[in-house]
This record gives sequence, C-alpha cells and structure tokens, in this order.
Amino acid sequence: NAGVTQTPKFQVLKTGQSMTLQCAQDMNHNSMYWYRQDPGMGLRLIYYSASEGTTDKGEVPNGYNVSRLNKREFSLRLESAAPSQTSVYFCASSEFTSTGGRHEQYFGPGTRLTVT
Amino acid sequence: AQSVSQHNHHVILSEAASLELGCNYSYGGTVNLFWYVQYPGQHLQLLLKYFSGDPLVKGIKGFEAEFIKSKFSFNLRKPSVQWSDTAEYFCAVKKAGSYQLTFGKGTKLSVIP
Repeated sequence: NAGVTQTPKFQVLKTGQSMTLQCAQDMNHNSMYWYRQDPGMGLRLIYYSASEGTTDKGEVPNGYNVSRLNKREFSLRLESAAPSQTSVYFCASSEFTSTGGRHEQYFGPGTRLTVT
Repeated sequence: AQSVSQHNHHVILSEAASLELGCNYSYGGTVNLFWYVQYPGQHLQLLLKYFSGDPLVKGIKGFEAEFIKSKFSFNLRKPSVQWSDTAEYFCAVKKAGSYQLTFGKGTKLSVIP
C-alpha cells in the first residue's frame, strides 16, 4: 500500500515550457487535490476533484489545468511555465461521504519544481 | 473567505520544554480542524483531527489539541518536546460539508538538544 505517489520528484523548466505532474493513489479514495507550498505561505489549493469525472478550481488555479484520468490518477499540467510557478507541489486524496465531511487528506511526497 | 492564523512563525525550544502552538480561524459555522506536521524533506502527515465531541483531542507522538469554539481556536500542545519534534506544523480548517482545506502559514519548531 503505497498511499499517494507523485512523479517526478524534482523538475527544472525554462520559462514557457510545459509539463505534467502525475499523482496516483491506491486507497480507493474518491477525492483528490493539488496544492502548492511556498515559503511562509502554507499550502494553497490549486484544483480539486471531488469524484471521478469532476474538477473544480481552488484558491490559485491560474496557469494550471488538471485531468482526473480515472479514480486513481489526477494530473496537474503547466501549459507555459513561469518563474512564479516555482514551488513544491503536493497531491492529496481523501474519502468521500454523502455529506462531504469527516475525511482527512493524505499527502504525497511532493514535486519540487523550479522555473528559470 | 475563511482564514487560518498561526501566531508564531518560528519557535525554538530546549528538549523537555512544553510546547503550545496557536491557531485561530475566521469561519463562524461548523468546522473540522486538523494539525499536520512536515518533517524536514518529507510530506505532510496528520497529527490529529477534530470533527465533533470531546474538544480535547489526542494525536500521535504525545500531541494534543483543544478546540475552544468561543475563541475560534485549536491550539496544539505537547508537555515535553524532543529533538525529533523539529518540524513545521500546519493548522488546517475545513467547513463541515466542504472539500476544501484552508491551511495556516505554518510554524517552524526547532528543538535544541
């Protein structure tokens, strides 16, 4: 049981390049999330997917797109990377209940992205 | 929009000292509350959580937190810290029924042997 896995662990991009961050979970969770972590800012939600087939914007969605490929996988795409997107990206997953509550989020190990 | 405030940016303690990290949130409705810990170079791990019931919540590694609804607070405590507690601690709040967690900016704890 690996929990939440992310690839790659590290990436360096040039401004304007594109890339996709991959995330997968093996806990049969319905909900998945992408966060970015910046020094002194805590974690901020980029996008989330409440269940397979749905995605919604979080607090800081500009410059990103997401795809919920299936129940296990949730990818984050940077179409044209900018230096402001230099950050550590965390994927998370959680269970779903009909009332939406009582589910803590489990986090992956993160991807450290540098855009030069 | 709801917000979460963690009052201390960096706390430095000697081993065996007691710890209390403050967390306040702005949302007035029913909330779910969490403390996460991030050890150097690692991902976030759940320390403890509060959904309802006894406002004093016990977590892993001897940590506990008290939910005081009237003060919109969820402070983290540990009676005696160890060097291995050196980490960054994040308070997070979720409106009951919502999917979105709002995190505080984190408190870095350094424990000196």
